Amino acid sequence: DIQMTQSPSSLSASVGDRVTITCQASQDISNYLNWYQQKPGKAPKLLIYDASNLETGVPSRFSGSGSGTDFTFTISSLQPEDIATYYCQQYDNLPLYTFGQGTKLEIK
Amino acid sequence: QVQLVQSGAEVKKPGSSVKVSCKASGGTFSSYAISWVRQAPGQGLEWMGGIIPIFGTANYAQKFQGRVTITADESTSTAYMELSSLRSEDTAVYYCAIFSGGGDTRFDYWGQGTLVTVSS
Repeated sequence: DIQMTQSPSSLSASVGDRVTITCQASQDISNYLNWYQQKPGKAPKLLIYDASNLETGVPSRFSGSGSGTDFTFTISSLQPEDIATYYCQQYDNLPLYTFGQGTKLEIK
Repeated sequence: QVQLVQSGAEVKKPGSSVKVSCKASGGTFSSYAISWVRQAPGQGLEWMGGIIPIFGTANYAQKFQGRVTITADESTSTAYMELSSLRSEDTAVYYCAIFSGGGDTRFDYWGQGTLVTVSS
């Protein structure tokens, strides 16, 4: 099974800060990686697909990069509404999927 | 616009089974790859399994093999997830999710979640 290691597990940042979350796969997954945002009590929301493509309607301050085993998710300028938990998800070995453990983002 | 509506919260005894439904509207149900993802309290997302109704065959995460059954009824555009031999660790919110664009690479629509509580 492909394991996804996300870091950090939690993060505190100030409004306007640049925030970076990383996700490492246990093997090469090409660009088969998505990023989701989940707010408390809500279902996850797709933000980035295929490692770097912004989902329609998602603000441009969100971005993703990487390929192979190392991936990065970035918020260029943190906004109060970005407080959430973020998850990476691989789909290299369809029809099986794996999520990262999540990164809880808080405002400092 | 696709919408996924799940059945309501359940309280179950250890050792029993639960069956959660997910009714889709606004799209082509048979061609969707429908997955079930669960989230225990305070924990992360865990993919359990999925099905493409037009093919009918379900796939499951190894952790749930033998305990979960995912089915789909094309006539009612409804998918089901049944989990048996419930234990307290199965207390979680269960979500169904699809990719509305066809294929199965990501989840852009999610149900509202169904809380299953396992308690004696």
